[in-house]
Amino acid sequence: DQQVKQNSPSLSVQEGRISILNCDYTNSMFDYFLWYKKYPAEGPTFLISISSIKDKNEDGRFTVFLNKSAKHLSLHIVPSQPGDSAVYFCAASGISGTYKYIFGTGTRLKVLA
Amino acid sequence: DSGVTQTPKHLITATGQRVTLRCSPRSGDLSVYWYQQSLDQGLQFLIQYYNGEERAKGNILERFSAQQFPDLHSELNLSSLELGDSALYFCASSVAINTGELFFGEGSRLTVL
Repeated sequence: DQQVKQNSPSLSVQEGRISILNCDYTNSMFDYFLWYKKYPAEGPTFLISISSIKDKNEDGRFTVFLNKSAKHLSLHIVPSQPGDSAVYFCAASGISGTYKYIFGTGTRLKVLA
Repeated sequence: DSGVTQTPKHLITATGQRVTLRCSPRSGDLSVYWYQQSLDQGLQFLIQYYNGEERAKGNILERFSAQQFPDLHSELNLSSLELGDSALYFCASSVAINTGELFFGEGSRLTVL
């Protein structure tokens, strides 16, 4: 039972354009969401998070949008840079009972120079 | 450097053997999580500890076990190893149980021959 889904295994974007990575979840008890970036041979590194009391959180070039009614979140990267090429994972957690962070399967982003 | 230390970085062993992976969390972090990543797949949650106590279990096989010690380091024991256990095993830590970001180690790559 995949509670957190990233349906696009890969995405290619031109440098300078917007990258949009999507994530869907099924468990309505999730109320905290995170995005991680992973380079080969390294551990995932935290990018940005959002609590369910918000619908948007911004940090520099990275913005996460949360649509609770659709159980959908997205990560926007503007402008995209070649160094952003990596695998991006979304994760979800729940304060009220589910103590674990559940990760999606990841989306491989390639930013073309 | 995330502050999470995992040893060993690489491990090659034979089927039927037993190995122990070790994780030292960031200073001050009470919660430790173990994840498995097989062949460019997503991060599969295995188990979580908080201040020495098991708090959540994921798809962890009965052949696998873990514990968190009083000094907060954690060990993941994998026994009766099979070829399919070959994977990257990540440890992550956080201050709280289910909110805030997870900090990941660089992973332990296990190869079972």
